[in-house]
Amino acid sequence: KAGVTQTPRYLIKTRGQQVTLSCSPISGHRSVSWYQQTPGQGLQFLFEYFSETQRNKGNFPGRFSGRQFSNSRSEMNVSTLELGDSALYLCASSLGHATNEKLFFGSGTQLSVL
Amino acid sequence: QKEVEQDPGPLSVPEGAIVSLNCTYSNSAFQYFMWYRQYSRKGPELLMYTYSSGNKEDGRFTAQVDKSSKYISLFIRDSQPSDSATYLCAMTDRDDKIIFGKGTRLHILP
Repeated sequence: KAGVTQTPRYLIKTRGQQVTLSCSPISGHRSVSWYQQTPGQGLQFLFEYFSETQRNKGNFPGRFSGRQFSNSRSEMNVSTLELGDSALYLCASSLGHATNEKLFFGSGTQLSVL
Repeated sequence: QKEVEQDPGPLSVPEGAIVSLNCTYSNSAFQYFMWYRQYSRKGPELLMYTYSSGNKEDGRFTAQVDKSSKYISLFIRDSQPSDSATYLCAMTDRDDKIIFGKGTRLHILP
């Protein structure tokens, strides 16, 4: 069974641009959650989608948004990029709600904002 | 005060030693407690999951939760070089959000 796939693996953008990251969950998993990981703040929860609906949201500004499609694939968008958005963005999938099920993480997208 | 505190390390121990990793937390409403292992350039993987005070064992790993002290631990017996990684504690709050510690870098010396 294929694992969680995130694309692209690396991304370089400049301030003010926007970016879209993609996540394909494990087949059959209906929940996708997104996390930001930085050396200073560690791993922080962004949001969770379940059956195309945002179920939960972390404390991030509105520039961070996401969506989930009917095939459970998910995208995350960051608009008006800031230097502080440089981070490893991880997505995780699970059969059911993220807090009740085992999370399977992808290898992440490393975003650098110049 | 951070909700979850975890010593970043690095922690270096010789092969075969018992490793003790710890986290403290401030929110008594935290319900579920987890330990993740993260290798360099990889996403975290779940090692242990528990929701009650006490010990839970799985092979060489033992997770311990003390809700009265707001303290959780992960013990690794007979440590191996392949255990070298960053270990993250995590817990869920009343709003069903997962809060992670910043992780402890562990080096097992052959």
